[in-house]
Amino acid sequence: DARVTQTPRHKVTEMGQEVTMRCQPILGHNTVFWYRQTMMQGLELLAYFRNRAPLDDSGMPKDRFSAEMPDATLATLKIQPSEPRDSAVYFCASGSTGLTEAFFGQGTRLTVV
Amino acid sequence: ILNVEQSPQSLHVQEGDSTNFTCSFPSSNFYALHWYRWETAKSPEALFVMTLNGDEKKKGRISATLNTKEGYSYLYIKGSQPEDSATYLCAFSGGGADGLTFGKGTHLIIQP
Repeated sequence: DARVTQTPRHKVTEMGQEVTMRCQPILGHNTVFWYRQTMMQGLELLAYFRNRAPLDDSGMPKDRFSAEMPDATLATLKIQPSEPRDSAVYFCASGSTGLTEAFFGQGTRLTVV
Repeated sequence: ILNVEQSPQSLHVQEGDSTNFTCSFPSSNFYALHWYRWETAKSPEALFVMTLNGDEKKKGRISATLNTKEGYSYLYIKGSQPEDSATYLCAFSGGGADGLTFGKGTHLIIQP
């Protein structure tokens, strides 16, 4: 049963701490997206990778956020330092070239206090 | 910045009634239009991927149409049931490096 796996599912952290969220895309998928979901903004695209290379991270606050794909089976989204306004659900999705479909992970619910 | 608009933002429908809502997107550089169903506390679930102008797709009581020339897609639900309550998201893909751009969704509530 192929699925996108995100860890952790929930994270509560104090303001100023570093947060790392992980995503394992579906095997064979070469595109990975990071989205953030908030009540106010809906789903926002933070970063987009194809074949592990970042193609678009314009939606990501560069001063504190970073996204990487150290290998084809792992994508990471890091926030340092975290702030209360970063509290949201962060979704990872993967797909194949041509974007015939994107599959979402179950999300990481981040709370920064 | 690509503009993907969904309307209405929220919708209350009586059980058994049919309903529809809209997604509008850029009419240039079209590659695909996706519809997702998102229930609270779950991840979005893919409903349809539409690529051809005039395309119509159906899954049970849910169907969708696509007009790429004027940049809109309709999602229809026939005979709404309480389990249809969810947020319905559309996402536009222009191919290239744009990824998927999501609308903010239509929040559908089916009232018994």
